[in-house]
Amino acid sequence: QKEVEQNSGPLSVPEGAIASLNCTYSDRVSQSFFWYRQYSGKSPELIMSIYSNGDKEDGRFTAQLNKASQYVSLLIRDSQPSDSATYLCAVNGGLGGSQGNLIFGKGTKLSVKP
Amino acid sequence: NAGVTQTPKFRILKIGQSMTLQCTQDMNHNYMYWYRQDPGMGLKLIYYSVGAGITDKGEVPNGYNVSRSTTEDFPLRLELAAPSQTSVYFCASSLTGEWLTDTQYFGPGTRLTVL
Repeated sequence: QKEVEQNSGPLSVPEGAIASLNCTYSDRVSQSFFWYRQYSGKSPELIMSIYSNGDKEDGRFTAQLNKASQYVSLLIRDSQPSDSATYLCAVNGGLGGSQGNLIFGKGTKLSVKP
Repeated sequence: NAGVTQTPKFRILKIGQSMTLQCTQDMNHNYMYWYRQDPGMGLKLIYYSVGAGITDKGEVPNGYNVSRSTTEDFPLRLELAAPSQTSVYFCASSLTGEWLTDTQYFGPGTRLTVL
């Protein structure tokens, strides 16, 4: 059974701080990794994707991938109250598979305090 | 473009009833997906489709059926509703389904309660 693990939180950070969200996955052959943001009562929206080891930056967001450790993280710099949401980590389920194989973690709830 | 639309937004069913959740996308995407999300949990894939006439099971298909007669529509059918099917259902679509780079776009969801 392929699994994606996240700390459910809640993770509370003050406004302006760096929020660090972590995710581990069980399937060593996974190749693509995604971070979705989900506001309460809303649908998920993709904020970052990463496929290669290392860092990928997009504005205030940085995704970090370490395939050897089977670990992917999301850093949010200068956190804002509007970043308060649940962040879902998703992992492709197998090498060469379509996105029908996406496996989601349970999500980490982030709260940014003004 | 409306993107991915779902109807109804909310529904209460009695045990044993049936219903169809509707999903339509206007982005000419080939791939469409149905997920369920239980409280405090991530999304679990129910069924997906790679194009009109082609569907495949996901992680949790039992108790559900799908069809894909057109590119735009991907309805999800619940037969003999059970309390375990109480959940929020999300439909999503993507252009190519390519596992490295494709992006899934989600509809607003249908909140279903089975009593």
